[in-house]
Amino acid sequence: EDQVTQSPEALRLQEGESSSLNCSYTVSGLRGLFWYRQDPGKGPEFLFTLYSAGEEKEKERLKATLTKKESFLHITAPKPEDSATYLCAVQEVKTSYDKVIFGPGTSLSVIP
Amino acid sequence: NAGVTQTPKFQVLKTGQSMTLQCAQDMNHEYMSWYRQDPGMGLRLIHYSVGAGITDQGEVPNGYNVSRSTTEDFPLRLLSAAPSQTSVYFCASSPWVSDREKLFFGSGTQLSVL
Repeated sequence: EDQVTQSPEALRLQEGESSSLNCSYTVSGLRGLFWYRQDPGKGPEFLFTLYSAGEEKEKERLKATLTKKESFLHITAPKPEDSATYLCAVQEVKTSYDKVIFGPGTSLSVIP
Repeated sequence: NAGVTQTPKFQVLKTGQSMTLQCAQDMNHEYMSWYRQDPGMGLRLIHYSVGAGITDQGEVPNGYNVSRSTTEDFPLRLLSAAPSQTSVYFCASSPWVSDREKLFFGSGTQLSVL
């Protein structure tokens, strides 16, 4: 069964303390892996799309990487404003949006 | 540019009542969809549409109806609300043709069914 898991479920960091969030997936063929950020009371906001193993993308303090079985979202020297829930989603090859599978998310808290 | 607009933001229903959650986008996106978000379960697709007049079921369609008469609007109807439908509902859209994987989400509707 195709699925997406994320770990940890929640992460509490001190400001400036770098860490990584994990997204593991099992699909028959990966078309794309997506990271979204979700603030409380708001809809998810797109961050990155990764298409193939070895690919990396960066945005400010965030860097997303992709292997054949998982993706990592690295957060370097986080600030309190990075506190949010980070969602991972995968899309299978040869399918459309009906097969975009979301993970449950990692709730990140950055303490000043 | 308003993006994806959802109304209402909050709603309380009694079991058996019906209602419509509204979703409108002003980006001329062909693809629109409805998700529900429950704690620990991630976003689950309810229904989606790839253009006016075209709709299809997602992962959890039971108890919900949709229609797409215009490109801009994609309402979600609850025919007879049940406590299991208590959730946060998100509408999302995408250009479909290019940058197709990037979904734009609305701010959500928090629904409680008593």
